[in-house]
Amino acid sequence: AQKVTQAQTEISVVEKEDVTLDCVYETRDTTYYLFWYKQPPSGELVFLIRRNSFDEQNEISGRYSWNFQKSTSSFNFTITASQVVDSAVYFCALSEARGANNNDMRFGAGTRLTVKP
Amino acid sequence: AAGVIQSPRHLIKEKRETATLKCYPIPRHDTVYWYQQGPGQDPQFLISFYEKMQSDKGSIPDRFSAQQFSDYHSELNMSSLELGDSALYFCASSLRGQLNTEAFFGQGTRLTVV
Repeated sequence: AQKVTQAQTEISVVEKEDVTLDCVYETRDTTYYLFWYKQPPSGELVFLIRRNSFDEQNEISGRYSWNFQKSTSSFNFTITASQVVDSAVYFCALSEARGANNNDMRFGAGTRLTVKP
Repeated sequence: AAGVIQSPRHLIKEKRETATLKCYPIPRHDTVYWYQQGPGQDPQFLISFYEKMQSDKGSIPDRFSAQQFSDYHSELNMSSLELGDSALYFCASSLRGQLNTEAFFGQGTRLTVV
C-alpha cells in the first residue's frame, strides 16, 4: 500500500530563514504522482505542485523549490527566505496510477511550519 | 476560474442527526473525491466517484453514503452522527479520474457534532 511519511511534525523558524520540509514515500508502482499542499489556518487546501514519477527534474517557483529523488523515495520542499505568511500546515501526498478510475490521493501527516517575525 | 464548490461551509448538528454535504466539481470534471480531516489530522480518503459510479472506497463508515449525480455533483450523506464525525470534509475533483492533473480541492465543510 502506498504510504507517505512526513517525519517533521512541527518546524519553527525566524523570518528570512530557509526551511526544508521532508517527505518520504513508499509505493510499488512505477507510475505515481506526488503533491504538496499548503493548509493555512483558514483551513483550505492550496495546491502547490504535482510531480509525476518519470520527471525527476527539480522545480523552482519563486521562493519555493522541490527536490525529487527517486533513489531515496523523497520529495522535499524548500522555502527560501521564509515569511510569516508561509506559516501553515504542509501536506505531501501520493497518488498511484493504478487505473483509470481509482487514483485517490493519500496524504502524509503534515508538517506545521511556524515562521516568526 | 471556477473552482470546486462545497456547501455548506459550516454545519452544526446534534448526535444521532443526519447531515448532507454537497460538492460541485469544476466544470467538465467527471471525478469527485471525498476526504475527512479530523482536528490535527491529515485528510483521510473516504470515497470517490467517476462518471457517477463509485470508483474507490477508503475509510468511509457504514453510516455514511455518497453518490454522484448526472450533473457530476456529489453528495455525502451522514447518518446517526457521532461526536467523532466532527471534522473538515473536503471534496476534490479531477478530469477522467486521473490525478496526473491537479486534483482541485474545495474549501471544505466544517461539521461540528454536539
